Amino acid sequence: QVQLQESGPGLVKPSQTLSLTCTVSNGSIGSGGYYWSWVRQHPGKGLEWIGYIFYTGSSYYNPSLKSRATISMDTSKNQYSLKLTSVTAADTAVYYCARVVMTWARSWFDPWGQGTLVTVSS
Amino acid sequence: DIQMTQSPSSLSASVGDRVTFTCRASRSVNNYLNWYQQKPGKAPHLLIYTVSTLQSGVPSRFSGSGSETNFTLTISSLQPEDFALYYCQQTFSTPYTFGQGTRLEIK
Repeated sequence: QVQLQESGPGLVKPSQTLSLTCTVSNGSIGSGGYYWSWVRQHPGKGLEWIGYIFYTGSSYYNPSLKSRATISMDTSKNQYSLKLTSVTAADTAVYYCARVVMTWARSWFDPWGQGTLVTVSS
Repeated sequence: DIQMTQSPSSLSASVGDRVTFTCRASRSVNNYLNWYQQKPGKAPHLLIYTVSTLQSGVPSRFSGSGSETNFTLTISSLQPEDFALYYCQQTFSTPYTFGQGTRLEIK
């Protein structure tokens, strides 16, 4: 079955760029049919959808992030990535990658990666 | 954005109890409503999609219902492994949004 695994620095300084990668195994991100998404969870809080990318390269982001987020994909490595610029302490969160299944009249997130905690601090 | 509101925010129950959680959307999400379970330190796990369809491997004691703006998740007979956080999510329109969660605790 498809598995996702996040990786990247656990500590980022304020005003810098957060960069994370999601490696997908047992499934090709370039084969179509799915969107590939990032979700974050602030400590002790709920879930916030960041955005997603389709295998064509088209992407969509949560406007709450004010254009700071960029999701890209590398089909040769079967990975997709998140960059979040100008981070502040408010961006401290556990970041999850998740596959988005979209079919006619339905869509859902499954599976999810295990998550990676990113702390923004000097 | 579509706001998702879950109630109650927390619930105490005993093994064997029947429990129901509610999720309300600020406007219709059609049937684009999913439920996830999250245990401490773990990623959310899909339980139910499109209001009432159980994800493969999810026990039949879980069920979902509702339409438009009002949805429920029911666990018919609580098992020890069911004590967790539960989130609803709408995928009707972007930005996709989640409820704030209902914490199910052991009484």
